[in-house]
Amino acid sequence: EAQVTQNPRYLITVTGKKLTVTCSQNMNHEYMSWYRQDPGLGLRQIYYSMNVEVTDKGDVPEGYKVSRKEKRNFPLILESPSPNQTSLYFCASSSSGGRWEQYFGPGTRLTVT
Amino acid sequence: GENVEQHPSTLSVQEGDSAVIKCTYSDSASNYFPWYKQELGKRPQLIIDIRSNVGEKKDQRIAVTLNKTAKHFSLHITETQPEDSAVYFCAASRSGGYNKLIFGAGTRLAVHP
Repeated sequence: EAQVTQNPRYLITVTGKKLTVTCSQNMNHEYMSWYRQDPGLGLRQIYYSMNVEVTDKGDVPEGYKVSRKEKRNFPLILESPSPNQTSLYFCASSSSGGRWEQYFGPGTRLTVT
Repeated sequence: GENVEQHPSTLSVQEGDSAVIKCTYSDSASNYFPWYKQELGKRPQLIIDIRSNVGEKKDQRIAVTLNKTAKHFSLHITETQPEDSAVYFCAASRSGGYNKLIFGAGTRLAVHP
């Protein structure tokens, strides 16, 4: 089954404790992206990757890091989480050809206290 | 910067009525306009999309229209049903889905039996 997976789905952590949210897709997509969703703001892009070893900042990259060492994986790293990073996070992927649809993962609800 | 404005933020209709959600985009280079439906606690799912070389697209009860001159596009849902109740997001992108999606803030649609 074609899908985007994220782990963990829920996470409660404390300020300053490094964490990683994993994202994996099995569709051989080149493009992967991270969004955060906050009430009244829609979804905003954090980082994206056009292919392996190619990443770039989105609209709200501060406080986040990413890496793309393998085509299927695109982890999101919070080196020192702060309460303003409490949010719902979605990973998405799409192909460079054919359909233009971005497929979303199930989401990770992060709470930083 | 690039942005997408979406109206209304909430919409309440009776079952069987039509619903219309409107979006305006700022980036004249945008060429891809997807609409996502997000049910409570779920990931955004694509319901319909349109490319800039087309003025209208229809899929059963759902249609999207695009006016490139005015830089706005709309989602039309006819014969609404309670299961249409959800949050709907419009988005715009350059280079199709292989690029950042700029999302509107969302419309919460409630369909009352």
